[in-house]
Amino acid sequence: TQLLEQSPQFLSIQEGENLTVYCNSSSVFSSLQWYRQEPGEGPVLLVTVVTGGEVKKLKRLTFQFGDARKDSSLHITAAQPGDTGLYLCAGVAAAGNKLTFGGGTRVLVKP
Amino acid sequence: GAVVSQHPSRVICKSGTSVKIECRSLDFQATTMFWYRQFPKQSLMLMATSNEGSKATYEQGVEKDKFLINHASLTLSTLTVTSAHPEDSSFYICSASYRGNLETQYFGPGTRLLVL
Repeated sequence: TQLLEQSPQFLSIQEGENLTVYCNSSSVFSSLQWYRQEPGEGPVLLVTVVTGGEVKKLKRLTFQFGDARKDSSLHITAAQPGDTGLYLCAGVAAAGNKLTFGGGTRVLVKP
Repeated sequence: GAVVSQHPSRVICKSGTSVKIECRSLDFQATTMFWYRQFPKQSLMLMATSNEGSKATYEQGVEKDKFLINHASLTLSTLTVTSAHPEDSSFYICSASYRGNLETQYFGPGTRLLVL
């Protein structure tokens, strides 16, 4: 069982549709991060959420941190083919000593 | 943002040989560097944490004699895969942080290793 569970594992949608990716845990995190990774490249940080209940927007991407700081979601509005990639959540648990990654959600946006 | 480079970007080697991968922080001093491994269609798994000038700390299940890590300077860490076997084929990603900040890691572009 992973410390951070992402769902769904794979998402295929048409251009213009919306999508939501979830990242859940039974542990409390001081912060959670979302990354996007393209094939053959390292992950690129999209956002860090720190405060329980926090909502951050990055253009068409909306990130939410759960009130209890145990879960987070990423919502993409009007997805475009350029949004295709592997989305990873990651965080350091309250009693942890390393950055732990979720299993990842592979998003495919078809034109 | 801070830039981390890896070299080589991809390497093919014969079974039984050793391969060295370099990770460099280009514009900041990285007191701590991390090495991750990523299998196809899977997430990143931490292999080890290295602090400049001291021995690396390996995660459970990672053989320290197999994956040699050296962090001799504040801008360079190396991972050597010794006596590589086909099962070592993977995507290796390093990250660097300033003052060991776990939540602020700057990731390299990764190195794809294929062992024949």
